[in-house]
Amino acid sequence: SQQGEEDPQALSIQEGENATMNCSYKTSINNLQWYRQNSGRGLVHLILIRSNEREKHSGRLRVTLDTSKKSSSLLITASRAADTASYFCATDAYGNNRLAFGKGNQVVVIP
Amino acid sequence: KAGVTQTPRYLIKTRGQQVTLSCSPISGHRSVSWYQQTPGQGLQFLFEYFSETQRNKGNFPGRFSGRQFSNSRSEMNVSTLELGDSALYLCASSLRTGSNTEAFFGQGTRLTVV
Repeated sequence: SQQGEEDPQALSIQEGENATMNCSYKTSINNLQWYRQNSGRGLVHLILIRSNEREKHSGRLRVTLDTSKKSSSLLITASRAADTASYFCATDAYGNNRLAFGKGNQVVVIP
Repeated sequence: KAGVTQTPRYLIKTRGQQVTLSCSPISGHRSVSWYQQTPGQGLQFLFEYFSETQRNKGNFPGRFSGRQFSNSRSEMNVSTLELGDSALYLCASSLRTGSNTEAFFGQGTRLTVV
């Protein structure tokens, strides 16, 4: 079964607002990674959080991981029009680069 | 540092034909993974290669195969193409296998089977 499942949200927000996406998974993991995809193009790696980490920051991105609830969240602060994309979480259960992806969250940032 | 390069970017094939896609990983990366993305099934893992050996395989039929060369470049082959093989094929490059390392993706090859 597919691990890494985002809440099936389609977010539409104004530029400058914050966007939050959630991801849940079913089994234990080694790490969880978040990716961005623009219009069916390649995936851009955003952040990797290991199973022993609880929170990680990268620029305007903040990722949290709660292994007891098997969930993660991605927060984008002060959103920009260029943040319009689909966002995917992917879990690596064994640390062997076999990623299980969720369905993705569509985020639209209105200028 | 150059990113992951996939060629070709677009491909149109006829049912029954075969196709070969190529992936050049980031310099120094030795692990290459392949994924299929379709609107219905989303992103699905095909296989992973490390040091010219297939280390992991997803749930795809034997028509899907791959290989890795000594310079870490990888190819995947799909034989006897079916309409359902139309998809975006993505290649991911990682420094190594068996550890917590980021996977960086190429722009993908969009395959259309007619």
